[in-house]
Amino acid sequence: EAGVAQSPRYKIIEKRQSVAFWCNPISGHATLYWYQQILGQGPKLLIQFQNNGVVDDSQLPKDRFSAERLKGVDSTLKIQPAKLEDSAVYLCASGSTKGGQGYEQYFGPGTRLTVT
Amino acid sequence: DAKTTQPNSMESNEEEPVHLPCNHSTISGTDYIHWYRQLPSQGPEYVIHGLTSNVNNRMASLAIAEDRKSSTLILHRATLRDAAVYYCILRGILNNAGNMLTFGGGTRLMVKP
Repeated sequence: EAGVAQSPRYKIIEKRQSVAFWCNPISGHATLYWYQQILGQGPKLLIQFQNNGVVDDSQLPKDRFSAERLKGVDSTLKIQPAKLEDSAVYLCASGSTKGGQGYEQYFGPGTRLTVT
Repeated sequence: DAKTTQPNSMESNEEEPVHLPCNHSTISGTDYIHWYRQLPSQGPEYVIHGLTSNVNNRMASLAIAEDRKSSTLILHRATLRDAAVYYCILRGILNNAGNMLTFGGGTRLMVKP
């Protein structure tokens, strides 16, 4: 079974530029998550999708961050304009809604963003 | 979300058992205890989860205190590949959409050869 795919793996941009990250979840997984992980910290949820609908985006800085999952499969996270504090690893995860409580999330390798 | 407390770091010798503690004194009756680990330069990966009873799988064992206010992840024989940050996370009963994971700082496990 193929895992969660993310691209690019690395990106360096200057502040005020824009950037986009792409995620393809595990086939059949209805739930998709984007996390931000700053160096030395645990991942922080930015947004959660169920199919193509947003379940939780309460921690997404909506003035500069946007995300979409138009067909309920792959997803794009965009930052425009980027700030220095956006330097982090952006992780995508997916999960299945089948079964009962406590199902696991599967994470991709992440995209390391450096804003200079 | 209920909070968890873990030591910042631990050391272990290769091929010895490792006990990673987690305190969660404010856990609710419907919170599941999840453990994930993150190897260097990789995304987190699921290790194990439980509710009340101890759990075993091919990766580890999870021992849950009777009052559920603490738990311990047990790696039976640590290898160098087990060096990672281990996160203990409480997760409520899932609705149809699923619940997010709230990560703390985790415990960085170092394994010495």
